[in-house]
Amino acid sequence: AQSVTQLDSQVPVFEEAPVELRCNYSSSVSVYLFWYVQYPNQGLQLLLKYLSGSTLVKGINGFEAEFNKSQTSFHLRKPSVHISDTAEYFCAVTFSGGYNKLIFGAGTRLAVHP
Amino acid sequence: DARVTQTPRHKVTEMGQEVTMRCQPILGHNTVFWYRQTMMQGLELLAYFRNRAPLDDSGMPKDRFSAEMPDATLATLKIQPSEPRDSAVYFCASGAGQGAYEQYFGPGTRLTVT
Repeated sequence: AQSVTQLDSQVPVFEEAPVELRCNYSSSVSVYLFWYVQYPNQGLQLLLKYLSGSTLVKGINGFEAEFNKSQTSFHLRKPSVHISDTAEYFCAVTFSGGYNKLIFGAGTRLAVHP
Repeated sequence: DARVTQTPRHKVTEMGQEVTMRCQPILGHNTVFWYRQTMMQGLELLAYFRNRAPLDDSGMPKDRFSAEMPDATLATLKIQPSEPRDSAVYFCASGAGQGAYEQYFGPGTRLTVT
């Protein structure tokens, strides 16, 4: 069975500093990986996705993530964060034949301070 | 700009009343998901449909919750009777299927049961 672990429930960081949000997954089959962002009082918005090809994927708002099969990880990074990046970030996984069903991690709350 | 829409956005009701939440998936999407989000439990998958047929509703309390897709443009989630512990934000999401694995979320319905 697939599972997702987000290693940090909260990540505080200062504005313009780099940030990494960690995500590890468990699966016995090939997976497809996603990061979603949820701003306060809003739904989840797709940040980026890995389906195949290059292991470094770029998303919206300057975020990128790297798929590491040997480490079973899909960490999210941004070189310089803004106050507006304060939100909850969710890592998710699915697999071929999964009917789009996503397995979500518990979320990481990113708090950017001035 | 194709989006998932949900109505109502907010609902306050008394315990014991029936609640119906509606979702319009993105046109052409063939999978629809219902989620519930609370501070304590996080994001929970309640049910999902493919081509209007229910694939899995094991996440729903069967005695009071029901989910249907009367047609391809409407999904409903009903709670009868409602209880205070049902207070949460309910999200609908849709997916295109056919090799497109990501889900697109609606803005949610914030339900408060007093």
